Amino acid sequence: DVKVTQSSRYLVKRTGEKVFLECVQDMDHENMFWYRQDPGLGLRLIYFSYDVKMKEKGDIPEGYSVSREKKERFSLILESASTNQTSMYLCASSLYQEEGNEQFFGPGTRLTVL
Amino acid sequence: AQKVTQAQTEISVVEKEDVTLDCVYETRDTTYYLFWYKQPPSGELVFLIRRNSFDEQNEISGRYSWNFQKSTSSFNFTITASQVVDSAVYFCALRGGSGGSNYKLTFGKGTLLTVNP
Repeated sequence: DVKVTQSSRYLVKRTGEKVFLECVQDMDHENMFWYRQDPGLGLRLIYFSYDVKMKEKGDIPEGYSVSREKKERFSLILESASTNQTSMYLCASSLYQEEGNEQFFGPGTRLTVL
Repeated sequence: AQKVTQAQTEISVVEKEDVTLDCVYETRDTTYYLFWYKQPPSGELVFLIRRNSFDEQNEISGRYSWNFQKSTSSFNFTITASQVVDSAVYFCALRGGSGGSNYKLTFGKGTLLTVNP
């Protein structure tokens, strides 16, 4: 079974702090994704990566950056956390193929910025 | 641009009732992929099904069935004889088949299904 793990289930940070959210997958997937989920807005893509050191902006990249130094790990960075970044953050991974491979999701990190 | 609409924000049924969750999509791609995911209260999205645009056969898996109709751009999900464990948020999603940034999933806003005993 594919397993996607995220470093924390719950996180509380202060405004202005630098925040790291870590995601690790164990199935050698090329693609990895970061989403945020907010009530009434569904899931929105922040960034994704299709290879080590490669990244592309999603729909809402402002205020975020990412890092992928190793294939299995994809980090989301909030350079200076703000209260409007309070949200559920979901990481996902999928195989790289032309076919529409399904994404497998981690359990999520609920981040609160005070 | 791609778009997925789940018009039903919340549905409440009594156990053993059948329930259909609607999904309507928009895309200009001739090849595309549709998905359904389940998000139980624990929060983790669980993959349920993937359907390719060139395969319009309906699919049944136990109490779950999916009706894909290209003519109406719909990919509806039916749960037969619902159970309390089916209570969750269900998301429909679309991925384009064209080149470039075609890995992205476009999600609908989800339908909260509550099955009451």
